[in-house]
Amino acid sequence: GAGVSQSPSNKVTEKGKDVELRCDPISGHTALYWYRQSLGQGLEFLIYFQGNSAPDKSGLPSDRFSAERTGGSVSTLTIQRTQQEDSAVYLCASSEYYEQYFGPGTRLTVT
Amino acid sequence: DAKTTQPPSMDCAEGRAANLPCNHSTISGNEYVYWYRQIHSQGPQYIIHGLKNNETNEMASLIITEDRKSSTLILPHATLRDTAVYYCIVRVSANNAGNMLTFGGGTRLMVKP
Repeated sequence: GAGVSQSPSNKVTEKGKDVELRCDPISGHTALYWYRQSLGQGLEFLIYFQGNSAPDKSGLPSDRFSAERTGGSVSTLTIQRTQQEDSAVYLCASSEYYEQYFGPGTRLTVT
Repeated sequence: DAKTTQPPSMDCAEGRAANLPCNHSTISGNEYVYWYRQIHSQGPQYIIHGLKNNETNEMASLIITEDRKSSTLILPHATLRDTAVYYCIVRVSANNAGNMLTFGGGTRLMVKP
């Protein structure tokens, strides 16, 4: 079956521009997570959606970062006024129970 | 969540068993041991998890010591495609409620022909 998909796979943007990253989770999965991974580093949690509950935004590094999940399915992570330290791979995962299924990630490069 | 300690790297010959250790000496009674792996340029992939009994699935076996302070992930017949970074994590519960993952350094397994 279809897994988690993310788009774009690569994004190069200039410092100060806004970017939107998209995640299509596995159909029926109620939980959706955004993480980021800097080069050679571990996973950093950003935000978590569970059904219709208010999202857990405790991992967002600044107010330039926001995310939405429309209709309990597709999610968009928005980074405003991008900075060079935002360069990383942004990973989305969805889950129904204990296993998190990850997408291939979006590699963001801020120049 | 309890902290885990893993060796930074290991080598394994193709076709042989790969045994990846993990120490979690501060694990609590309600914390599960999870293993994920990340192949280069891909998202992390779930492998297996357990509480106190040994577990086996189509990918691997998980051996947890009786005192639960350490565990070993076993890939019975490693292939070149198993070359990846393997992460051992302990988590409070098996359900997905707010259960974000936090990966440390992991073990970089290199399977060699």
